[in-house]
Amino acid sequence: EADIYQTPRYLVIGTGKKITLECSQTMGHDKMYWYQQDPGMELHLIHYSYGVNSTEKGDLSSESTVSRIRTEHFPLTLESARPSHTSQYLCARALTGGFSYNEQFFGPGTRLTVL
Amino acid sequence: AQSVTQLGSHVSVSEGALVLLRCNYSSSVPPYLFWYVQYPNQGLQLLLKYTSAATLVKGINGFEAEFKKSETSFHLTKPSAHMSDAAEYFCAVSDKGNTPLVFGKGTRLSVIA
Repeated sequence: EADIYQTPRYLVIGTGKKITLECSQTMGHDKMYWYQQDPGMELHLIHYSYGVNSTEKGDLSSESTVSRIRTEHFPLTLESARPSHTSQYLCARALTGGFSYNEQFFGPGTRLTVL
Repeated sequence: AQSVTQLGSHVSVSEGALVLLRCNYSSSVPPYLFWYVQYPNQGLQLLLKYTSAATLVKGINGFEAEFKKSETSFHLTKPSAHMSDAAEYFCAVSDKGNTPLVFGKGTRLSVIA
């Protein structure tokens, strides 16, 4: 149903490393989102995109960057990982217009641990 | 600006008891409303949504929610809790525009045997 994929599911990495979290969807939806979520806590919107070459920052200031070169992919990059980046990262997609209702479909998440 | 308040960060019920998770919203326009469920180490899954049709909305796993405009509420209920219902539940609102969904802070549901 969700047709949205995130890799890797789990990542443990050392401080200072550059990492890219992948998010892809097969539905051709224009809207995609990245959320940061600490375990059992609220969602924080960090980036979103409404189409190719369109990206916006969300409510939570983040040291990460995103790109949207293709509709299907919305990768999130951390240039230099720090322990404070340890969290779960959720990607979501949503259809534009019509009867989409702005309903979001979520991927399974990537749990990132920075040592 | 739209907002969502979920009353109670943690709700605990006995197996077989009524589940009631509260959600109040603020929106300048008639909203779309959603309930999502999140199991440990997973993403969010849609339980149900209100899109201005019937005010009583039925979802998956026996859950339902009623839209009450006068109370600006969209509470989630289930007549009889099951152990498998233990999870985190999020209420979300959309103002029908082009802005992202606004999520509440979530309510953790525990089910006691």
